Amino acid sequence: EVQLVESGGGLVRPGGSLRLSCAASGFSLSDYAMSWVRQAPGKGLEWVAGIVYSSDETYYVDSLKGRFTISRDRSKNTLYLRMNSLRADDTAVYYCAKGLAVVIGIIDYCGRGTLVTVSS
Amino acid sequence: VLTQSPATLSLSPGERATLSCRASQSVNNYLAWYQQTPGQPPRLLIYDTSKRAAGIPARFSGSGSGTEYTLTISSLEPEDFAVYYCQQRSNWPFTFGPGTKVDIK
Repeated sequence: EVQLVESGGGLVRPGGSLRLSCAASGFSLSDYAMSWVRQAPGKGLEWVAGIVYSSDETYYVDSLKGRFTISRDRSKNTLYLRMNSLRADDTAVYYCAKGLAVVIGIIDYCGRGTLVTVSS
Repeated sequence: VLTQSPATLSLSPGERATLSCRASQSVNNYLAWYQQTPGQPPRLLIYDTSKRAAGIPARFSGSGSGTEYTLTISSLEPEDFAVYYCQQRSNWPFTFGPGTKVDIK
């Protein structure tokens, strides 16, 4: 059974950093495109970053480039999102998303999400 | 940019729902639909305009081309009352529409 379990969210002050983790089970992260998608409270969905399954090529929303870094540890079957210089508008539930096979642009399955709150 | 209409659709169980998604430029049929209920992550329904995801009931169907796409729910079940998002993967950054809420009339 496919499972994605996010962790690492919480309350952080503006300018701070967090690293989100997504532990995968039931499949190998190496075989799929993976992404992070976020949803601010009461708002819609926003694609944050993605990583291609084979080359580890990464994609970021322009507004986040340089602040966020997506990566994965194949040995731990875990996806990460490092977030620096956090701002109030980064407050959201962050979902780890598995691609449909190697297709990066289709979310086949999401974890339950982890809430990041940026506030002083 | 993706726009969805209507913002809210009030229907009764058993009725047909027709949701629209319009793109500011062609998305080359790379259009998906997701369903989200409160407190839950999004769930893939349809991808590449008309392909149903695994386990999705046949009452959900997608159509369209170019810049205009439609999600149809042929006969609403109680569990179908939710928010529906369209999403394009034709160009990075992949983007979602603002959503259509289907609520009970």
